[in-house]
Amino acid sequence: DAKTTQPPSMDCAEGRAANLPCNHSTISGNEYVYWYRQIHSQGPQYIIHGLKNNETNEMASLIITEDRKSSTLILPHATLRDTAVYYCIVRVNFGNEKLTFGTGTRLTIIP
Amino acid sequence: EPEVTQTPSHQVTQMGQEVILRCVPISNHLYFYWYRQILGQKVEFLVSFYNNEISEKSEIFDDQFSVERPDGSNFTLKIRSTKLEDSAMYFCASSLGSGAQHFGDGTRLSIL
Repeated sequence: DAKTTQPPSMDCAEGRAANLPCNHSTISGNEYVYWYRQIHSQGPQYIIHGLKNNETNEMASLIITEDRKSSTLILPHATLRDTAVYYCIVRVNFGNEKLTFGTGTRLTIIP
Repeated sequence: EPEVTQTPSHQVTQMGQEVILRCVPISNHLYFYWYRQILGQKVEFLVSFYNNEISEKSEIFDDQFSVERPDGSNFTLKIRSTKLEDSAMYFCASSLGSGAQHFGDGTRLSIL
């Protein structure tokens, strides 16, 4: 079972920042927080991951609380193409460790 | 940017027939995975593969399923005798080591 809790759905206005929360209160010290998204029926797309420090890449920013029990994915300027299901997954960083997907957050960007 | 490619994009097969789904992982990746997603349900792990052997498999991955890396580039999933409940999207993924898994766009398998 997934070890994370996410709201089932969110809306965000186009051009605004989309902030997607995730709770992972039972995260272990060696587990990373990963974010993926799935646009329609395409394959899951990797977005970002982190252990305890905040991370930023060209797609998004990841803010992890100091106690590591929750995190927020930030899409700084949401576009219509960001409409997707977003998955927050905790995982140890061994090479063959599987990803356990939950039901995610369905993010809808409103024009 | 390198990507994982899967063929075919859609496979229609009669129940009881064998099917092989093909994947070309990212070229320098070492770890390979199959996942599936039944329509409207979660993405589920099937199997992971490293150094020419299965590392982990789920309960779904029973004796009807097998994986193979027949050459240096392809990674295949075979279902020996398909059932109606095997109808799903099948996703291949690969990773370099620890870190992100990168997914293909999937094969839609329809069992009639």
